[in-house]
Amino acid sequence: GAVVSQHPSRVICKSGTSVKIECRSLDFQATTMFWYRQFPKQSLMLMATSNEGSKATYEQGVEKDKFLINHASLTLSTLTVTSAHPEDSSFYICSARVVPQNTEAFFGQGTRLTVV
Amino acid sequence: RKEVEQDPGPFNVPEGATVAFNCTYSNSASQSFFWYRQDCRKEPKLLMSVYSSGNEDGRFTAQLNRASQYISLLIRDSKLSDSATYLCVVNSGGFKTIFGAGTRLFVKA
Repeated sequence: GAVVSQHPSRVICKSGTSVKIECRSLDFQATTMFWYRQFPKQSLMLMATSNEGSKATYEQGVEKDKFLINHASLTLSTLTVTSAHPEDSSFYICSARVVPQNTEAFFGQGTRLTVV
Repeated sequence: RKEVEQDPGPFNVPEGATVAFNCTYSNSASQSFFWYRQDCRKEPKLLMSVYSSGNEDGRFTAQLNRASQYISLLIRDSKLSDSATYLCVVNSGGFKTIFGAGTRLFVKA
């Protein structure tokens, strides 16, 4: 199946700093990428949907100025957590699809962010 | 109401049992449907797509009822290695891929 590479897989940062997470589709062009957050023992929560070359669409309750998403090419999307706080510690996962085809989403390996 | 709802879990079953997962979706314009499996601290992985005609892959059977907006997954002869969280996933109208909350399965010897 298609491959989506996400890195870093794990990052620890100090409170107040920013962290960038990259998501790359390695063998296909992803028209749409999704960013999810998962807290321990909870389900995946969609944060935002990004289409190549346009602004991301954020889900209700997700601060767009805090979680900056860039989708500059068909193979790369980035999520930057700005001014991170301990409550931002979570598992962040990206996925990519070719829209509007009704195909499954392919997932990155996830990034475990710990803010200390 | 959530767009995708699943049975609350967890399910605790003995090896060899048959277990069924149920899922409903609210957007009648939803176009495609999947079951994913997520192991602890790992990313979700596609288990199988779900087709209107129903589909089977070994011990796993998925079914879709568009009229009732209902999806199911049946696991027969469950193994210890089936222990995981099972996620119902819907490609909703537009660009969104929406996940259910997941149902955790524990298969015990």
